Amino acid sequence: DSGVTQTPKHLITATGQRVTLRCSPRSGDLSVYWYQQSLDQGLQFLIQYYNGEERAKGNILERFSAQQFPDLHSELNLSSLELGDSALYFCASSVSEVGVGELFFGEGSRLTVL
Amino acid sequence: AQSVAQPEDQVNVAEGNPLTVKCTYSVSGNPYLFWYVQYPNRGLQFLLKYITGDNLVKGSYGFEAEFNKSQTSFHLKKPSALVSDSALYFCAVRDDTDKLIFGTGTRLQVFP
Repeated sequence: DSGVTQTPKHLITATGQRVTLRCSPRSGDLSVYWYQQSLDQGLQFLIQYYNGEERAKGNILERFSAQQFPDLHSELNLSSLELGDSALYFCASSVSEVGVGELFFGEGSRLTVL
Repeated sequence: AQSVAQPEDQVNVAEGNPLTVKCTYSVSGNPYLFWYVQYPNRGLQFLLKYITGDNLVKGSYGFEAEFNKSQTSFHLKKPSALVSDSALYFCAVRDDTDKLIFGTGTRLQVFP
């Protein structure tokens, strides 16, 4: 158990819909990262937050947004969903702001868009 | 831009034999390199990292990795493979905005 909790584990929805994925980092970790894992794209970095502030942005679509709340949990919002958004979405946390420490990954939220 | 490459989609090895999973990197400046493992239906787990120091880095579950600056490689190794080592292995590098960039992954299959 990594200590990172992601909900829901599985989500099935239709094209055009909007979903919210939630992540609770390990106790004491200030950084939260979101990654998308799909068969054809591999593991793609989406966005990072550190102590409530956006720290780094990767290949995140404009239809996607995220935030980190004062209690440090984070949410990834995916809107106007398309078939190609079907993927496993991982949240990871670390104690440090910079990427020299290890990341602790949750078990992911599997999104299926029909 | 920083990147990592894992040239093999799959590596097959017999139990008890040594295993190597290859990774090459491209960075500007000193590389910060990592290996992660993903078991089926699980998140990624940290195995080991190279920041500085000895070129041979020891990690979890008996794995080690050899950093080779001249060949820009960071291959993952284990002297004796176990069936339970079968999983998806990812090499990663920290880029200049401090985020981890992952390779495409190598599936390790250890046969009894």
